[in-house]
Amino acid sequence: DAGITQSPRHKVTETGTPVTLRCHQTENHRYMYWYRQDPGHGLRLIHYSYGVKDTDKGEVSDGYSVSRSKTEDFLLTLESATSSQTSVYFCAISERHPGGETQYFGPGTRLLVL
Amino acid sequence: GENVEQHPSTLSVQEGDSAVIKCTYSDSASNYFPWYKQELGKRPQLIIDIRSNVGEKKDQRIAVTLNKTAKHFSLHITETQPEDSAVYFCAAGGDTGRRALTFGSGTRLQVQP
Repeated sequence: DAGITQSPRHKVTETGTPVTLRCHQTENHRYMYWYRQDPGHGLRLIHYSYGVKDTDKGEVSDGYSVSRSKTEDFLLTLESATSSQTSVYFCAISERHPGGETQYFGPGTRLLVL
Repeated sequence: GENVEQHPSTLSVQEGDSAVIKCTYSDSASNYFPWYKQELGKRPQLIIDIRSNVGEKKDQRIAVTLNKTAKHFSLHITETQPEDSAVYFCAAGGDTGRRALTFGSGTRLQVQP
């Protein structure tokens, strides 16, 4: 599982409330990613990080912010949750090996916004 | 940016038959093409990947082929088994972490016993 954990694993919240999801990795990987998964859309990149305090936007970044203050943690924040942000959120890391880099996913967080 | 199209969206085969899933991509700079398998309620798991300097790669019953000129790549599963039933995703991107992956919309494979 590439040493990736996500918390919480399930969350129910109300529209307009802030929500923070945490991704934690234990193997000192430089690159970390947040994706959302919705039926019919596969996995879509929200934000990614290429080092401490270094982040960039993905294709569906509106309404989301991220922070990475230390290598092992990558936080995803929904400043004011909306029903359209109901989804399954996956964190991923990129692991370097002689052939290149490979992405591995965390267990996911199921978020329901009422 | 990159755009990845995946077909078919659903595929039903009899146990023992072969299954083929196809993907096309738009960005000629993409050089890394992984395939993930996702069982219900689980995380996507990497099953095989191919890089642009290789045309074909095989691992037991699964194989991936890449045609960079046509910008398409395919997953082939032979001798399918019921445990192959899952959703399969293709992806395209760079082979360094800075170039994140773009995923296809997925193929639900059902292997009938």
